[in-house]
Amino acid sequence: EVQLVESGGGLVQPGGSLRLSCVASGFTFSDYWMTWVRQAPGKGLEWVANINQDESRQFYVGSVKGRFTISRDNAKNSLYLQMNGLRAEDTAVYYCANGGGYFWGQGTLVIVSS
Amino acid sequence: DIVMTHTPLSLSVTPGQPASMSCNSSESLLHRDGKTYLSWILQKPGQSPQLLFYEVSNRFSGVPHRFSGSGAGTSFTLKISRVEAEDVGVYYCMQTTQLPITFGGGTKVEIK
Repeated sequence: EVQLVESGGGLVQPGGSLRLSCVASGFTFSDYWMTWVRQAPGKGLEWVANINQDESRQFYVGSVKGRFTISRDNAKNSLYLQMNGLRAEDTAVYYCANGGGYFWGQGTLVIVSS
Repeated sequence: DIVMTHTPLSLSVTPGQPASMSCNSSESLLHRDGKTYLSWILQKPGQSPQLLFYEVSNRFSGVPHRFSGSGAGTSFTLKISRVEAEDVGVYYCMQTTQLPITFGGGTKVEIK
């Protein structure tokens, strides 16, 4: 059974940092691109970033470029999202997904507020 | 960026009746590799998103056969032959042909 389990969300002040993690199981993690998608409260889905299998390529939505960094550790079957310079508009549930969205985690909530 | 537009924005359906929804993209989703990277994703109330179809019409594992996906270029359709109560939620189309990956705003399906 494929599982993606996110963690690391929480309440942070504007300008602060958080590191999200996603631990994968049930599939060969190193074979897949991995993706972060977020959903602001009551809103739709927004792609945030993705990373290829060997970390040689990372891509970001414009609004997070220079602030967020996606990375992975294939030995630990883990995906990460380092979020710096957080803004109120980054408040959302953050989901990790494999490939083009084949499987999704349950999400982790990030709230940016003073 | 490729803009994805859903029609209609909401749908109220009687159980057992068919339903159809459309997604249009602002540019062709045909990739130079010959594939069209259009997916349909369902988010049921209070749940994480789940994949229904990838590459337009490839049904994902476990998706009931009452669902079908079709289309090409810039115009795509998701159909449910006979809606069941468990089909409620928001249906999103997503394109991964070109970065940035973009989603439509969704079609919300409710049961009458």
